[in-house]
Amino acid sequence: AQTVTQSQPEMSVQEAETVTLSCTYDTSENNYYLFWYKQPPSRQMILVIRQEAYKQQNATENRFSVNFQKAAKSFSLKISDSQLGDTAMYFCAFMRALGQNFVFGPGTRLSVLP
Amino acid sequence: ETGVTQTPRHLVMGMTNKKSLKCEQHLGHNAMYWYKQSAKKPLELMFVYSLEERVENNSVPSRFSPECPNSSHLFLHLHTLQPEDSALYLCASSQGTGRDEQFFGPGTRLTVL
Repeated sequence: AQTVTQSQPEMSVQEAETVTLSCTYDTSENNYYLFWYKQPPSRQMILVIRQEAYKQQNATENRFSVNFQKAAKSFSLKISDSQLGDTAMYFCAFMRALGQNFVFGPGTRLSVLP
Repeated sequence: ETGVTQTPRHLVMGMTNKKSLKCEQHLGHNAMYWYKQSAKKPLELMFVYSLEERVENNSVPSRFSPECPNSSHLFLHLHTLQPEDSALYLCASSQGTGRDEQFFGPGTRLTVL
């Protein structure tokens, strides 16, 4: 069974600085999908960024980028120029293949400080 | 209304009550999901419906009973719950179970007394 680990239950960062959230996973699959979801306080969970394991290039979405290390089974999220609105729970998620279900990590609570 | 909506947003119920959670998606999706989010635990997938047919039931106790009358609506019927069932219940939908992105609703915060 796949597992997803986020070793940082809580983190904080000063506004405008950069922060990296870590995620590791365990799988024997070669092709799979990885995601970061953001859940702001009292708001809906939304997709931040996705990565397909067969793509070597790290995914980037504006201020959000990932460092995908397939051999190490690591999928960290870097948030550049942090904004107050980035304060949220961040969940790393694994999908074995399209059509399979998500396996979520326990989440990292990120606080962006003014 | 757009996206995925859930009602009620907050619910407090006694252990002997019967209540229902409602989810509605306005995205034309074919798959819908119920998740349970407890404090300090990963999201737990409870049920998956694809084209109104239940395709997955992750060993959820029978006191939780899902219903999917059509592809836009999903219910979670609750009866004789336990205090440990207190959690945030999230509904999500996707274009099909073959797509990667799920769109989540805001959740129902359930407290069982």
